[in-house]
Amino acid sequence: DAKTTQPNSMESNEEEPVHLPCNHSTISGTDYIHWYRQLPSQGPEYVIHGLTSNVNNRMASLAIAEDRKSSTLILHRATLRDAAVYYCILISGGGSNYKLTFGKGTLLTVNP
Amino acid sequence: ETGVTQTPRHLVMGMTNKKSLKCEQHLGHNAMYWYKQSAKKPLELMFVYNFKEQTENNSVPSRFSPECPNSSHLFLHLHTLQPEDSALYLCASSQVAIPGGNNEKLFFGSGTQLSVL
Repeated sequence: DAKTTQPNSMESNEEEPVHLPCNHSTISGTDYIHWYRQLPSQGPEYVIHGLTSNVNNRMASLAIAEDRKSSTLILHRATLRDAAVYYCILISGGGSNYKLTFGKGTLLTVNP
Repeated sequence: ETGVTQTPRHLVMGMTNKKSLKCEQHLGHNAMYWYKQSAKKPLELMFVYNFKEQTENNSVPSRFSPECPNSSHLFLHLHTLQPEDSALYLCASSQVAIPGGNNEKLFFGSGTQLSVL
């Protein structure tokens, strides 16, 4: 599986935007970029995914570099409830790769 | 509430005990998964079931025995566990066992925190 690299931790202030980076230099043409987050004492939850174009949903935005070797998850206005571990994952589209491989993720701390 | 319910939320067991973890999904999905999350380690995939058939066993020791009687229920039977098996055990489901692509996502339960004494 193609690997991803994320910073171990990041810190933000409440009400400010947060940009969480992810490097995936060995991404293949059919790999989708998925983001999940895990709040304390809960299982991971889906945040957003994309292939080539930038994506927006009610939770976040995903900005994908033109060469697809990196991406950034953007939380437009961080709240205390956004404090979680954020995972960037590559998944082969339409193939048999159901082995969602989670790395260590980025621990986001949000200061009031 | 994600539609995936795990019981119990917490479990303490001795090494000679036999216990079972239960997972139920109310999403109409056909694939279910067991993941293990040890302290300070990434999530590890243990088992995958697709339409009640086991399609993945990620080299899990035989003291962990999964059971999937139907697409909505998944069990993990535990016996003669070791202290190093203490971890958060997470169940997840997806429409089919090929998450990814345009719409496929995993939905996780809140997990069972297991302590083996």
